[in-house]
Amino acid sequence: IAGITQAPTSQILAAGRRMTLRCTQDMRHNAMYWYRQDLGLGLRLIHYSNTAGTTGKGEVPDGYSVSRANTDDFPLTLASAVPSQTSVYFCASSEASEGDTQYFGPGTRLTVL
Amino acid sequence: GQNIDQPTEMTATEGAIVQINCTYQTSGFNGLFWYQQHAGEAPTFLSYNVLDGLEEKGRFSSFLSRSKGYSYLLLKELQMKDSASYLCAVKDSNYQLIWGAGTKLIIKP
Repeated sequence: IAGITQAPTSQILAAGRRMTLRCTQDMRHNAMYWYRQDLGLGLRLIHYSNTAGTTGKGEVPDGYSVSRANTDDFPLTLASAVPSQTSVYFCASSEASEGDTQYFGPGTRLTVL
Repeated sequence: GQNIDQPTEMTATEGAIVQINCTYQTSGFNGLFWYQQHAGEAPTFLSYNVLDGLEEKGRFSSFLSRSKGYSYLLLKELQMKDSASYLCAVKDSNYQLIWGAGTKLIIKP
């Protein structure tokens, strides 16, 4: 693995289903982030983690949860998906939490029907 | 509120120069990033400015004026592969990144 990987690449999901988006980095970065990107809008922060064992809420956290059990992994869970969660989801990481340069994974395109 | 403004779309000719502007109003300022994003791909880091002035990196340069809340990205000798969206992001007083919606740059031969 080199950098950040995300899985799945894309997914079509029925409303009400539970879904976990996976994110793994091998750069030993302390901070990790989840964003959603919608047409005409900037990247919006969902949740973040400054270091393993800690998480925080971003701009649009409702309907999403995260965990950070170790340095490498930062999964994002949609407990009960709704159509408004249709989006492209990007995971990112940075060496430190204080606004360091963020490096992005390839993204997951999620469609909720 | 916090706001980052960029033009939605710009068109330029291969070999020419283009300037993409970004104005911001944020709660505090701790630096400004420019990222490039090709269609269907992840954003990739281009430049970072924290002090006023011009930072040059090959064909790309980025300028910052903190007093005016203004930055621009200058792309020289445009190539077809420069067709992409360019995202401006400001690090606010809490060191969170606030992102603009991006500028889609179309390069014509």
